[in-house]
Amino acid sequence: DGGITQSPKYLFRKEGQNVTLSCEQNLNHDAMYWYRQDPGQGLRLIYYSQIVNDFQKGDIAEGYSVSREKKESFPLTVTSAQKNPTAFYLCASSNTNRGLVETQYFGPGTRLLVL
Amino acid sequence: ILNVEQSPQSLHVQEGDSTNFTCSFPSSNFYALHWYRWETAKSPEALFVMTLNGDEKKKGRISATLNTKEGYSYLYIKGSQPEDSATYLCAFMTGTASKLTFGTGTRLQVTL
Repeated sequence: DGGITQSPKYLFRKEGQNVTLSCEQNLNHDAMYWYRQDPGQGLRLIYYSQIVNDFQKGDIAEGYSVSREKKESFPLTVTSAQKNPTAFYLCASSNTNRGLVETQYFGPGTRLLVL
Repeated sequence: ILNVEQSPQSLHVQEGDSTNFTCSFPSSNFYALHWYRWETAKSPEALFVMTLNGDEKKKGRISATLNTKEGYSYLYIKGSQPEDSATYLCAFMTGTASKLTFGTGTRLQVTL
């Protein structure tokens, strides 16, 4: 089946700990994205990548880091610098047309909770 | 940060009712407006991508219109069914950005 997978479904983080959320796609999409959703808010962009080995900060990148070593994979690390990490995290991918995003396809999400 | 607003925030209708909601976005430097449906416990799913002023798109009982000059899009659902219950998200894109800016969504609940 083609699609986007995210793991784990739930993740618990201790104070001061870095955690990594996985996102994999087999849609052969060039671009991948990470969003965060908090109650009562829309999806806010954390980081995005339009091509392997390149990525850009979104609107709320502080306290997060990413890598894009493979086209299929775009892991997100929530660092200890992120003071309010409890949220629902969605990964997405899309084709691009001259750098402009087309329809995005979303994974099932990871809920991150702080212990 | 671009401001994309959706109204109402939530909506509760009965089966068979028709309904509509609004997405407002900046009218300058418009490139595309996306609509997504997000059902509980599922991933957001694309409904429409709209690019031209006056554009109308239709998918079954759901349709959307676009006015880029005044910066709004309407989503209409005709004869709502319980399976239409979801959060409907719009997302705006400028011609110079390679990312989407999402609104906060309209949460629709359809009851029997």
